Amino acid sequence: AQSVTQPDIHITVSEGASLELRCNYSYGATPYLFWYVQSPGQGLQLLLKYFSGDTLVQGIKGFEAEFKRSQSSFNLRKPSVHWSDAAEYFCAVGAGAGANNLFFGTGTRLTVIP
Amino acid sequence: EAGVAQSPRYKIIEKRQSVAFWCNPISGHATLYWYQQILGQGPKLLIQFQNNGVVDDSQLPKDRFSAERLKGVDSTLKIQPAKLEDSAVYLCASSGGGRSSWYEQYFGPGTRLTVT
Repeated sequence: AQSVTQPDIHITVSEGASLELRCNYSYGATPYLFWYVQSPGQGLQLLLKYFSGDTLVQGIKGFEAEFKRSQSSFNLRKPSVHWSDAAEYFCAVGAGAGANNLFFGTGTRLTVIP
Repeated sequence: EAGVAQSPRYKIIEKRQSVAFWCNPISGHATLYWYQQILGQGPKLLIQFQNNGVVDDSQLPKDRFSAERLKGVDSTLKIQPAKLEDSAVYLCASSGGGRSSWYEQYFGPGTRLTVT
């Protein structure tokens, strides 16, 4: 069965510092992997996705993620965090016949201190 | 283009009452999803529609939850009767359905339900 683990419930970083959010997945086939961001009172927004090919994927807002099959990981990174990045971040794996059933992790809340 | 619209944004009801949520997807999107997001958890898919047909409702508690998308456009999710554990944010999402864009689900702002 598919599952996603985000080990960090809450992370605090200083503005301008680098960021890495961890995501581990479990899925029997080649995974389709996603990162979403949810700001307070807002819906989820897709940051980036991985289907195949280059294991380092670029997304919006300066985010990138690296797929590592050997570690079953898809960690999200940003070299320099901005105060506006404070939000909840969700990793998800796509499953099902069309791989469009998303299974989400429990999320990581990011706090940015000035 | 307009995003996914949901109403109401907030709802407070007592247990055993009924409640309904409405969703209007992005124009032209064939696929519509309802998710339940309990506090401290990630969203969980409740039901997926392709046009006006149900693709997946395996995680929908059918004894109390129902959903419809009669004309293949907007959708209603109903809970009757509500339980305390139904307190959550109910998210609606839509996607194009075509191979080029199936993966990009656009989410509405959600309806926060509190059952007392």
